[in-house]
Amino acid sequence: GENVEQHPSTLSVQEGDSAVIKCTYSDSASNYFPWYKQELGKRPQLIIDIRSNVGEKKDQRIAVTLNKTAKHFSLHITETQPEDSAVYFCGKNAGNMLTFGGGTRLMVKP
Amino acid sequence: NAGVTQTPKFRVLKTGQSMTLLCAQDMNHEYMYWYRQDPGMGLRLIHYSVGEGTTAKGEVPDGYNVSRLKKQNFLLGLESAAPSQTSVYFCASSYSWGPGPYNEQFFGPGTRLTVL
Repeated sequence: GENVEQHPSTLSVQEGDSAVIKCTYSDSASNYFPWYKQELGKRPQLIIDIRSNVGEKKDQRIAVTLNKTAKHFSLHITETQPEDSAVYFCGKNAGNMLTFGGGTRLMVKP
Repeated sequence: NAGVTQTPKFRVLKTGQSMTLLCAQDMNHEYMYWYRQDPGMGLRLIHYSVGEGTTAKGEVPDGYNVSRLKKQNFLLGLESAAPSQTSVYFCASSYSWGPGPYNEQFFGPGTRLTVL
């Protein structure tokens, strides 16, 4: 019950289009869901997170939605730009740990 | 502030050799973590610590040991390196506002380890 499934593994969009990445989990005790962005050759950095007492959170062009009943959460990026190209990881808490999905490589074509 | 630093940045080992990776943070964080990152596998937690003098196993602890003798340092040891341990290793740290990893993890720059 600790795994996080993340889809798709790769995503290619045209600049200006939207991108959506989805994660599913099975541990009903999880209540914290962060998203990290990792640019090529760089370290992962937190871009947004959500706790289970809210269903949606937005920060400029990025938003995260959470459906705790269905046990899935999604990252939405609108008006994509070339600098959004990176690998994105979803995560969830499990005790004192975070477990991460396998990552999505997003490519934004100019 | 330097944030989270890791040494070394790169290392090549032969099978059976040992080494220690050092992680240091200057943010007075309680929680520290060691992850490995393999292609297509995301970030997998090796070991973590919730405070000075404590350590705990993560998802993939076999073949690794850790120590947290000082709050600012978290050491990852490989006693007898194997080719399967070829990976990029990331250290991270975070505040703790009570139990659980509910706060941003700040990652180090990574260590690229190759075991021949």
